[in-house]
Amino acid sequence: DAGVTQSPTHLIKTRGQQVTLRCSPKSGHDTVSWYQQALGQGPQFIFQYYEEEERQRGNFPDRFSGHQFPNYSSELNVNALLLGDSALYLCASTGSNEKLFFGSGTQLSVL
Amino acid sequence: SQQGEEDPQALSIQEGENATMNCSYKTSINNLQWYRQNSGRGLVHLILIRSNEREKHSGRLRVTLDTSKKSSSLLITASRAADTASYFCATLTGANNLFFGTGTRLTVIP
Repeated sequence: DAGVTQSPTHLIKTRGQQVTLRCSPKSGHDTVSWYQQALGQGPQFIFQYYEEEERQRGNFPDRFSGHQFPNYSSELNVNALLLGDSALYLCASTGSNEKLFFGSGTQLSVL
Repeated sequence: SQQGEEDPQALSIQEGENATMNCSYKTSINNLQWYRQNSGRGLVHLILIRSNEREKHSGRLRVTLDTSKKSSSLLITASRAADTASYFCATLTGANNLFFGTGTRLTVIP
């Protein structure tokens, strides 16, 4: 039973570019949440997707957008990258209980 | 912004000793969860305590919750070098989202 998988593992972009990160949830999970974790900080909630719709959103600008597909996989898109967007991006899935299962993350570096 | 705040920010102990980490949060919660993170990778769920519970155990872990003080503590007994990691508390609110604290970095010296 595969857990949460994220791709790519590492990514290097330059300011102003756009990036797409991908996540496949744990089998049987229908809800996907995305978090941003800056170095030395706790994960910050970006948004949550359920039934292909954004259900909740944290305090992030519209440059951050997402999508959930019918198979429950999800994408996180960030436009017009800033240096401050450099962080570990974590995807987490959940099913009927309230526990989150996390992927290993995508380390994004913006130069 | 972070919902919770862990204390201390860093903790260094000898193998075999107990480690205690504290978490304070700001708003009403449905439950509080503790997660562990190794080397900046994915987080692993450790234990969940509901707002109507005061104490919970899981193996070497003991969690307490005081909703009147909006605080929780995580005790790891008989620590091992493999317990070295960052530990985060996370609160589940009515909006059904988990908000994480700032974390405690635990180092267990062999």
